[in-house]
Amino acid sequence: EDQVTQSPEALRLQEGESSSLNCSYTVSGLRGLFWYRQDPGKGPEFLFTLYSAGEEKEKERLKATLTKKESFLHITAPKPEDSATYLCAVQGRSGYSTLTFGKGTMLLVSP
Amino acid sequence: KAGVTQTPRYLIKTRGQQVTLSCSPISGHRSVSWYQQTPGQGLQFLFEYFSETQRNKGNFPGRFSGRQFSNSRSEMNVSTLELGDSALYLCASSWGDRGKGETQYFGPGTRLLVL
Repeated sequence: EDQVTQSPEALRLQEGESSSLNCSYTVSGLRGLFWYRQDPGKGPEFLFTLYSAGEEKEKERLKATLTKKESFLHITAPKPEDSATYLCAVQGRSGYSTLTFGKGTMLLVSP
Repeated sequence: KAGVTQTPRYLIKTRGQQVTLSCSPISGHRSVSWYQQTPGQGLQFLFEYFSETQRNKGNFPGRFSGRQFSNSRSEMNVSTLELGDSALYLCASSWGDRGKGETQYFGPGTRLLVL
């Protein structure tokens, strides 16, 4: 059974204070690891897909990295508008398009 | 390109009733998946439809069902509603390719409240 654990559950940062979110996973044959951002009351918004260990992707202040056991979402010099819940999900070989999600990290960036 | 749309956005029902939720995927996408999101359990997979066939199912009771039409639009139905069914129901669409990891794009969700 695929499993995803995210830490910390919640993170409070000052504007400009860089940090990282962690996503640990176990999956039977990783097809992809996904990061989403979710604002309150809205659907998850796609950020990144990572396919294999060593891969990195960047978008504005966000950078996602992948190893064989975990993924990190690095947030550089965050702004208040980066406040949201960040969700990590994996897609394994046995589940068609199914995503297995972690519980998310709630990020609050204070001005 | 239009995103995934879901209707209705909000719904209030009472215990014992049934409800039908609708999802229109991104044009060209043939796979539609449904997820339930609650504060305690997070996002949990309900089922996936591809070319009008259910090809994967999560661990939910038979009260939860769905279908997909020839235009890839999908509906999910919950019968005999219980208080614990109150949640945000999310629909996601993708091409349906079983090769490399495939990104799913989510709709805004339907917020269901069961009283």
